[in-house]
Amino acid sequence: EAGVTQFPSHSVIEKGQTVTLRCDPISGHDNLYWYRRVMGKEIKFLLHFVKESKQDESGMPNNRFLAERTGGTYSTLKVQPAELEDSGVYFCASSPGQGEAQLYGYTFGSGTRLTVV
Amino acid sequence: DQQVKQNSPSLSVQEGRISILNCDYTNSMFDYFLWYKKYPAEGPTFLISISSIKDKNEDGRFTVFLNKSAKHLSLHIVPSQPGDSAVYFCAASQGGGFKTIFGAGTRLFVKA
Repeated sequence: EAGVTQFPSHSVIEKGQTVTLRCDPISGHDNLYWYRRVMGKEIKFLLHFVKESKQDESGMPNNRFLAERTGGTYSTLKVQPAELEDSGVYFCASSPGQGEAQLYGYTFGSGTRLTVV
Repeated sequence: DQQVKQNSPSLSVQEGRISILNCDYTNSMFDYFLWYKKYPAEGPTFLISISSIKDKNEDGRFTVFLNKSAKHLSLHIVPSQPGDSAVYFCAASQGGGFKTIFGAGTRLFVKA
């Protein structure tokens, strides 16, 4: 079974530019999550999709961040325009259901390391 | 406001000895607690979980203890192996579809 795939693995962009991160969850997983970790701090929740619907987007920092999940399959997270404080590692995770997630956790991708210079 | 706190950034243990990683939480509504392990350049991987109705859960060398009155949980690894060297994240969630909240992680070094 293929795991959660994230692309790109690294991205270096200038302040003010736009970057789009992509996540392909495990096939059949309805739940998709985006998290971010900044420089050794906690892994912070950004948002949660159930299929194509946003279940919880309370962690999105501001309106420069836009997440979509086309047809309930892959998801994209766009940052436009990027600021220096957006640098960090962006993780995507998926789970088949919320009950399973609480007992067996999420499956995470390897992350996208974003550096804004 | 951090709801899940791991106050030790790092821990060093000799191979074969016990590793004890600690975690405190503030939200009494949390009813599931999880530990994840993360190697460099990889995503976190699920290790073990415990629900709030239990005070201990064991899986091989890994045991998680939960003290609800103290809002504290710990992960015990016995015996520790060099391959256990990684960052360990404590996480917590409420039932009913709420998001999982993670701590900042503790880096474990197991010396051969």
